[in-house]
Amino acid sequence: DSGVTQTPKHLITATGQRVTLRCSPRSGDLSVYWYQQSLDQGLQFLIQYYNGEERAKGNILERFSAQQFPDLHSELNLSSLELGDSALYFCASTGTSGTEQFFGPGTRLTVL
Amino acid sequence: GEDVEQSLFLSVREGDSSVINCTYTDSSSTYLYWYKQEPGAGLQLLTYIFSNMDMKQDQRLTVLLNKKDKHLSLRIADTQTGDSAIYFCAEESGGYQKVTFGTGTKLQVIP
Repeated sequence: DSGVTQTPKHLITATGQRVTLRCSPRSGDLSVYWYQQSLDQGLQFLIQYYNGEERAKGNILERFSAQQFPDLHSELNLSSLELGDSALYFCASTGTSGTEQFFGPGTRLTVL
Repeated sequence: GEDVEQSLFLSVREGDSSVINCTYTDSSSTYLYWYKQEPGAGLQLLTYIFSNMDMKQDQRLTVLLNKKDKHLSLRIADTQTGDSAIYFCAEESGGYQKVTFGTGTKLQVIP
């Protein structure tokens, strides 16, 4: 158990819909990262937050947005969903020394 | 730019050594990592190496770093069926704890 929690574990929805994925980092960790893992594209970095502020942006679509709240939990919002958005979405957190990322168990999103 | 590449698949027999290779392009990388992902789970850090080191050994794992060629490898000695997983190399560079992951190598261990 990494100490990072993600909800829900599974999510099935339809094209055009909007969903919110939630992540709670390890206690005390200030950085949260979001990744998308699909079968054909490996692990794609989406976005990083540090203590509530956006720190780095990767291959995140405009239909996707994220935020980190004062209690340090983070949410990833996916809107106008397409079939190709079906993937595993992971969040990870790091402490202030920041060499290791601790991954959550992931949310499996299926868009039908 | 930053691009971390790995071969997609490796198959070895139980008891043999496995070598998983990785190339990266960012010469300013500070730390390089190997993560393991078991089926249905998140990634878990296996080991890491600082960029000023050539080699790091940790029990059955040996990491070799060739900075000149920007090549990183992970050797698993006496590979077991429990080692079957996807292995990701990753580099940390550019400050702000930014990490770039490779495409992942799926290791299949044949009993």
